[in-house]
This record gives sequence, C-alpha cells and structure tokens, in this order.
Amino acid sequence: KAGVTQTPRYLIKTRGQQVTLSCSPISGHRSVSWYQQTPGQGLQFLFEYFSETQRNKGNFPGRFSGRQFSNSRSEMNVSTLELGDSALYLCASSSGTVDEKLFFGSGTQLSVL
Amino acid sequence: AQSVTQPDIHITVSEGASLELRCNYSYGATPYLFWYVQSPGQGLQLLLKYFSGDTLVQGIKGFEAEFKRSQSSFNLRKPSVHWSDAAEYFCAPFGWGTYKYIFGTGTRLKVLA
Repeated sequence: KAGVTQTPRYLIKTRGQQVTLSCSPISGHRSVSWYQQTPGQGLQFLFEYFSETQRNKGNFPGRFSGRQFSNSRSEMNVSTLELGDSALYLCASSSGTVDEKLFFGSGTQLSVL
Repeated sequence: AQSVTQPDIHITVSEGASLELRCNYSYGATPYLFWYVQSPGQGLQLLLKYFSGDTLVQGIKGFEAEFKRSQSSFNLRKPSVHWSDAAEYFCAPFGWGTYKYIFGTGTRLKVLA
C-alpha cells in the first residue's frame, strides 16, 4: 500500500508569509504527528492528531497549528514565518494503538528567506 | 520533565568493527523505547522497539538494543558494521499516556572503508 505522502516537497517563502503543508497518511492509519527537524536539534515534536482530535502538542508558539480531516489527512500551518522556521517538516502516521510504530513521509523542506 | 539524551553526536567506525550508540532517558515510568534510522534519501525507518519482556531486542539489519532499567538506558549495538549503515540514528522514547515521542538529537554514524 502507498506510504505517507507529504506535499509539497520543497517550499521557499519570505518572512511574514504563511504556509500550509499537507500530509496524507497510510490508508487505515488514524494518527498523524508532525515534527520539525533542524541540524543539531533532532526531531522536535509539534503535535499529534487522532481521529480529528489533537491529543498532544509540543512546545511551539501558536503560529504553528494543525488539523486533521475525517479521511485522516492532515495539514500544518505556520503563520508569520520567521527565518528560524526554516527546517525539514516531517509527518508520520500510525495506527494510533499500543504498537506505535511510526511511518514517516519524506518531509517538506521549508526555506524562509 | 521527560527527556532523552544521545551523548554522541558523531561516531566514526571502520567497516567490520563493532558499534554501540548510547541512549539515556528520563521518564516518570518506563516508556516504550524505539530506535529509528535516517538514511540519506530514504527517510526515517524503525530499527527496533522495546515494550516489555526480554531486555535484549533484535531489529532489522542486524541491530540489537539492550534495555537497562537501572541505568535508564537503551543502547543500540551491532557486532559488525557495514558501509551501508552510515546514517543518523535516533533514540525515541514513547510515553503512552502522552501520545508522543521525544526524539533524541541523533547520532551521525560514519563508516570508514
């Protein structure tokens, strides 16, 4: 079956703009989580959605928001972009059950100029 | 606060040599424990996981990890490293009650021919 699909693959924005990233999970998966990856910082947890409900969120400012649709697809939005938001944004899906193996997408590389 | 530490940012080993990557965590209760690998152009992939039971777990690609409760550690090992093992490795405890992973900052492995 198809893997986790993230679009777009690359994105270039300027400071102050907003951006929306999309993630389509593996069919049947109800949990989608988002991570920000920057060199030296590893993966920082942004938030996790399960059946359209946010179950947890990380320590990011309110400019970072997300949502999940009834078909489990998820979007992440970043408003008022800052230079420091440049990063690889990874989406992962899972069944949402005890066996929480994550399946990752290839990510969206966001560059803020 | 929940945290995970991967003390080694970079490790270089010769092909055929043994490997141990360290991971220490701090959680209120023993979390589920995972190791993921990020290879160039291949995204993040699960290597192995520990939930309970036998403290030595086997994963893919010949990797194994040992859970030591007394040391709050979950170190990753491989008896003989192959050049294709060059990648970045992430330790990731998962707190079931929090529905989120905390990823370590990663250890980048370089393999010398």
